[in-house]
Amino acid sequence: AQSVTQLGSHVSVSEGALVLLRCNYSSSVPPYLFWYVQYPNQGLQLLLKYTTGATLVKGINGFEAEFKKSETSFHLTKPSAHMSDAAEYFCAVSDHSGNTPLVFGKGTRLSVIA
Amino acid sequence: KAGVTQTPRYLIKTRGQQVTLSCSPISGHRSVSWYQQTPGQGLQFLFEYFSETQRNKGNFPGRFSGRQFSNSRSEMNVSTLELGDSALYLCASSSSPGQGSYEQYFGPGTRLTVT
Repeated sequence: AQSVTQLGSHVSVSEGALVLLRCNYSSSVPPYLFWYVQYPNQGLQLLLKYTTGATLVKGINGFEAEFKKSETSFHLTKPSAHMSDAAEYFCAVSDHSGNTPLVFGKGTRLSVIA
Repeated sequence: KAGVTQTPRYLIKTRGQQVTLSCSPISGHRSVSWYQQTPGQGLQFLFEYFSETQRNKGNFPGRFSGRQFSNSRSEMNVSTLELGDSALYLCASSSSPGQGSYEQYFGPGTRLTVT
């Protein structure tokens, strides 16, 4: 069975500082990996996804994530935090079959301090 | 193109009642998935429908059911509501089935409160 662990339920950074949100996954088969963002009172929006190929994936709003198979990780980063980045972030995993549902991590709430 | 719409946005029900939530996918999308989001359990998959057929079902009791219509709109029903059913119910649509293969677009959710 697949699973996702997000380290840190709450991360706080200063505006302009590096954002690093951690995600480790467990999967017995090559995974698809995703990061979603949820703003208050809204649904989830896809930030980026890894399927195959280049392990460094660039997404929207300046975010990127790197797939590291040896570390079973898919950490999300952004060089410089903006106030508008404050939201909840979810890492998710699926397999290549397309027949299993997405499995989400518990989420990390990002606060950005002025 | 209009996004995924969910109605109602907010709902208050009493224990023992039943509730029906509605989801209209993005035009042209034929796959609809439902999720339950709670502070304690996070996001949990309920079911996925494609072309009026249920493709996948999560680990929820039989009180939770759903269906999809020929126009791809979907409804989910919860019977005999319990306090623990209070949650944000999210609907997501995609152009084809297979949640890992195709990008899902989420609606704003229906906030259900059971008293």
